[in-house]
Amino acid sequence: GQQLNQSPQSMFIQEGEDVSMNCTSSSIFNTWLWYKQDPGEGPVLLIALYKAGELTSNGRLTAQFGITRKDSFLNISASIPSDVGIYFCAGQPAGGGGGYQKVTFGTGTKLQVIP
Amino acid sequence: ETGVTQTPRHLVMGMTNKKSLKCEQHLGHNAMYWYKQSAKKPLELMFVYNFKEQTENNSVPSRFSPECPNSSHLFLHLHTLQPEDSALYLCASSTQGARGYTFGSGTRLTVV
Repeated sequence: GQQLNQSPQSMFIQEGEDVSMNCTSSSIFNTWLWYKQDPGEGPVLLIALYKAGELTSNGRLTAQFGITRKDSFLNISASIPSDVGIYFCAGQPAGGGGGYQKVTFGTGTKLQVIP
Repeated sequence: ETGVTQTPRHLVMGMTNKKSLKCEQHLGHNAMYWYKQSAKKPLELMFVYNFKEQTENNSVPSRFSPECPNSSHLFLHLHTLQPEDSALYLCASSTQGARGYTFGSGTRLTVV
């Protein structure tokens, strides 16, 4: 089955630093999604990407859909303490499966920001 | 508040107990999902319901029994669980054409 490798698994950074993380797949996806999970909460969608090469921003977050359609990247600029959490990539293949979506999640990147 | 509400938020149960987790969404979504999230493991899809019909069961042990009475409500009935079933159980919903899933806040389950 499809697997998503997300790296790094965890990172400690100083407040104000930029952060980069990536996700690679053994298969092609038609949609890439990035979620953030705050401690004790469920994941919340940050950015959705629909086309190879697409670059999309959401505030200080920028994500890119890799040209090969097998990878995606997330950058966070000028990190702040509330960026702490787990970031998940997710890939969605073509087709709606009859009205529901089959999404494969990455293993997550745990981000800790040192004030 | 994401639009997907899970109750209870925390649950401690003995291995011989029977309990149920509840999920409710009023987003008009047609599909609902149960995921298990354990420490240091990827999100594990357990069940998928589409228009209240079960469409996926990812080899989940029978001690987990889902129920979907309508497209807005999803339950996970638990009985004779094991300590390794302790995890965060997440409910999500989606609709065709929407971006990804909307997750609830989860139920933190501890089996003692």
